[in-house]
This record gives sequence, structure tokens and C-alpha cells, in this order.
Amino acid sequence: DAGVIQSPRHEVTEMGQEVTLRCKPISGHDYLFWYRQTMMRGLELLIYFNNNVPIDDSGMPEDRFSAKMPNASFSTLKIQPSEPRDSAVYFCASSDRDRAKKLSSYNSPLHFGNGTRLTVT
Amino acid sequence: DAKTTQPNSMESNEEEPVHLPCNHSTISGTDYIHWYRQLPSQGPEYVIHGLTSNVNNRMASLAIAEDRKSSTLILHRATLRDAAVYYCILRARNSGGSNYKLTFGKGTLLTVNP
Repeated sequence: DAGVIQSPRHEVTEMGQEVTLRCKPISGHDYLFWYRQTMMRGLELLIYFNNNVPIDDSGMPEDRFSAKMPNASFSTLKIQPSEPRDSAVYFCASSDRDRAKKLSSYNSPLHFGNGTRLTVT
Repeated sequence: DAKTTQPNSMESNEEEPVHLPCNHSTISGTDYIHWYRQLPSQGPEYVIHGLTSNVNNRMASLAIAEDRKSSTLILHRATLRDAAVYYCILRARNSGGSNYKLTFGKGTLLTVNP
């Protein structure tokens, strides 16, 4: 199992440009999460999906941010236009909560990727 | 999720045990106690979880107070690779739908001295 795969690992862009971050969850997982981490605010949940459907996007900072999950094996987080304050490490995570619940297991840990470090100049 | 309180930082020596405390006085009866850690330049990783009884796995042990208002993550022999930020998180047993979130606090930065 390759784990959660994020790309690119690092992204440097200029203010105003569009940025697309990509995530491949662990095969068979039915939940996908996007987090953002900064020194000031720590780890913040931006949005999460269940079976490719967005469930809670209350953490998305503003309309410049959008996330999609066209299928079970791929998700994108897009920022358009980007601003310097968007500089952060963005993490994707996946979980198999529904399967765990069927097994009467109440532990369905989140598996995180290694993140994309975004720098907007 | 109910609130947890952890020390900002702790220090340990290599090959000694480490006890990382977490206070959660507002825990409800159906909240599980989860621990994650984040190594430098990596995403968080699951460590252990428990409800009422103490738990052991290959990574650590979790000791839960009888009143469940606090818990302690125990690393039996700290190594340099255990240097990380450790997060204590409460999660409702039947969390689902819009409640299925994992909310991270600031955690405890563990430094391991050689």
C-alpha cells in the first residue's frame, strides 16, 4: 500500500496565479480530507468528502478555494487566484470509516499524505 | 469535539520512558481518546486510541484515568525518531456525517535528547 499520495511536494507560484494540489487516497477508503497547516493556526480542516460527495466545506476560507473529487481515487484542491497568505502546507488524508463501522470498529484512523508545501510570492 | 489540554513542550532522554499527559475534563461518555503524532516534514500519523481501558500497541501505551478526565500516552523507550508533535484528540463514538471531523489542537512538542 503506497499510502496517500500528494503532488506536487513543493509549489512556488506568484500571487494571482492558479494553483492546483492533487491527492490520491488509499484504495478502498471512502472518506477524504483536506487540511491546511500554518505556524499561526496549526492544522485546520478545510473540507471533507464521503464517497466523492463533499460533506462539510465550512473550513474553506473563501471562494478562491475549491475542491473536487471526480472519482474515488483522485481529488484536487484549487486556489484561484492565489495570495501570499495562502502559503502553507496542505495535507490530504483518507479513511475507511464506513467499512470500519460495519465491522463495529469505532477506530478509523486518518491516513495522511506528506503534504504539499505551497509558497505564494 | 470536546476540548483537550496538553503541555506545549516536553523533553526526554533517549531510551528513557516518556509520559505525555492530556486533560479532557469535558469528555462525554461516548468520546474516544485518540493520539496522533507528526514527525518533522511529514503528515500526522495515528498512534493509538482508547475508550475506558488502558491500551497497548507496538507504538505506545495509553493509560486512561478512572474518571476519564485525563489520559497519558506512554512511550516506553524514547528514540530520536520519536521526536514529534503529539496530539490528543477526542472523537465521538458514533460520529458521522458532518460530525466526522478530527480537530487538532496545538499538541505537545516532544524533544528527545541523545
